[in-house]
Amino acid sequence: DSGVTQTPKHLITATGQRVTLRCSPRSGDLSVYWYQQSLDQGLQFLIQYYNGEERAKGNILERFSAQQFPDLHSELNLSSLELGDSALYFCASSVVSPGANVLTFGAGSRLTVL
Amino acid sequence: AQTVTQSQPEMSVQEAETVTLSCTYDTSENNYYLFWYKQPPSRQMILVIRQEAYKQQNATENRFSVNFQKAAKSFSLKISDSQLGDTAMYFCAFMKYGGSQGNLIFGKGTKLSVKP
Repeated sequence: DSGVTQTPKHLITATGQRVTLRCSPRSGDLSVYWYQQSLDQGLQFLIQYYNGEERAKGNILERFSAQQFPDLHSELNLSSLELGDSALYFCASSVVSPGANVLTFGAGSRLTVL
Repeated sequence: AQTVTQSQPEMSVQEAETVTLSCTYDTSENNYYLFWYKQPPSRQMILVIRQEAYKQQNATENRFSVNFQKAAKSFSLKISDSQLGDTAMYFCAFMKYGGSQGNLIFGKGTKLSVKP
């Protein structure tokens, strides 16, 4: 157990629907990251939050949004789902320091869009 | 923009032997970090080893070691005494120095199979 908790583990939904993925970071970690892993795109950085504020943005679609709450858990909202959104979505957390931010990953949420 | 390239999509090794996975990267940054992550069939992403670019000494973690060649922008992973549990996808990753931009850029991965 990495200490980063993601729910749900698996999710099957239909095109056009909206889903929410949830992440609880490791105790003491203020920063949360979301990554998408798909067969064709590999592992792609989506977005980073630090203590409730957006800190960095990657290849996140406009149909996707995220937020980090005061208790530091984060949610990734995916709307108007398309077949191509089927992927493994990882959350990771870290402390933030001037040095290396070692990311600890959760077990991922597998999204299947039918 | 930074890129990470892993040129070996798949590799195999016999149990107890040594294998080296290759990784090259491109960056104009002088300070950065490099990582190897392992993703076994369980899909969990597990940190294997990390290297700070300002350190000349190669990082080691038990049976795992790296060969970091900064000028050549090369960062290979050597696994000694391979074990069946080492079977996994291995991802090389780059991170710029600086706490606020701590996101990882991953290569496409190398699928390693350890055969008994």
